[in-house]
Parts: sequence; structure tokens; C-alpha cells
Amino acid sequence: GQQVMQIPQYQHVQEGEDFTTYCNSSTTLSNIQWYKQRPGGHPVFLIQLVKSGEVKKQKRLTFQFGEAKKNSSLHITATQTTDVGTYFCAGGVSGNTGKLIFGQGTTLQVKP
Amino acid sequence: KAGVTQTPRYLIKTRGQQVTLSCSPISGHRSVSWYQQTPGQGLQFLFEYFSETQRNKGNFPGRFSGRQFSNSRSEMNVSTLELGDSALYLCASSKGTITDTQYFGPGTRLTVL
Repeated sequence: GQQVMQIPQYQHVQEGEDFTTYCNSSTTLSNIQWYKQRPGGHPVFLIQLVKSGEVKKQKRLTFQFGEAKKNSSLHITATQTTDVGTYFCAGGVSGNTGKLIFGQGTTLQVKP
Repeated sequence: KAGVTQTPRYLIKTRGQQVTLSCSPISGHRSVSWYQQTPGQGLQFLFEYFSETQRNKGNFPGRFSGRQFSNSRSEMNVSTLELGDSALYLCASSKGTITDTQYFGPGTRLTVL
């Protein structure tokens, strides 16, 4: 079936280091969404990308959507302890009813 | 605008019992989705309701069911609880389609003993 694979599953970084998580879909996506879940919390929407090759930035976060609309990445520059949490990508698939397929998430730990 | 609310927030049940969880979406949102989250399993999609109709369904056994009311509020029911059903159950609402931005509630933490 349709899947969205996300890697790595876990990442430990020293504060100030960069971090990147990648998503790859088995099918062409209509959009890609990114969510962040803090420990003990619930997923919170970060951003949505729709266009092929789109790049969006939110302060230290950079989001990219691949040219083929099958992959995406989230890059955090100079991580801070507030970046700790699990980052999920979710691929939207158009169709009669549509689907939103979540990746397994990347859990980021930041050592101060 | 009030966010998505879920009740109860915590629940403890024993094997074999059934449970009903409730979700109130953001006002004006018509799509409600349910997810099960367990450590190491990520977000597992249960089902989506739109205008009182189940529009999408994940790969869960028939013990998991749901419904949506005319005011878009939704409930999910799990019958004959098993230990493996212990999880955080998240509800998310969106304006129209499931591919729209999902707004998640705080979740219901279900523990099955």
C-alpha cells in the first residue's frame, strides 16, 4: 500500500548542531505537511508545501518538497533545547476521498 | 477560536470492557479523523468522518468503530478491550478534506489492565 517512510527514527544532537529529517513517499503527493509533537503533547501543524520544488523557511527551520513531489525534508539550523520533540511528515494523496499518510516520525533530542 | 477538545483525557479499563471516546472539532470543521499512537508505532490512522459518513478507514479490527453527529462532534468506540489497545487516542479536525491541515486535540490516554 501507499507509504511514507521517514528517517532517521531518532537523532541526538548537541545544542547548536544542525538537524535534518527526510520523508520519502511511494506515491506522488498532492501536498506534504509537517507536524511537531513535544514530549507529552499532541502533534501541532508547522507548515504545508504544495508545489514541486517548493522551499519554505520558518526562522531556523527550512522545509523542502522534492521536484517529483515524492520526498521532503525538514532542516533545523543551530538546534536549541526548545526544538526537542518528534517531527512528523504527512503526505496528502488526492483521490475520491483523499488520504493523509503520516511518516513514523523522527524524535529529536538536544543536549545542552 | 476554541481548539479541538477530547474527553475524557485519561481512562483506565480492564480487558473485555468497552470504551467510548469523544471529540469536539473546531467550529466550522467538518472532517474528523482518529489516530492511535503507541510508543514506536507512530500515528496509526483509524478512520475519518465527514458529514456523518465514514469517508476513510485504516487497518484496524472491527472492534474499533466510530460515528459523527450532525454538529460534527465525533465518538469512537472500542469493544472487547485488549491489553494492546493501551495508547494515546488522538482526534484531529480539518475544514473539508483529510488532506487539509489537521488540528489535533490533546488526546485521550487509555490504559487497559
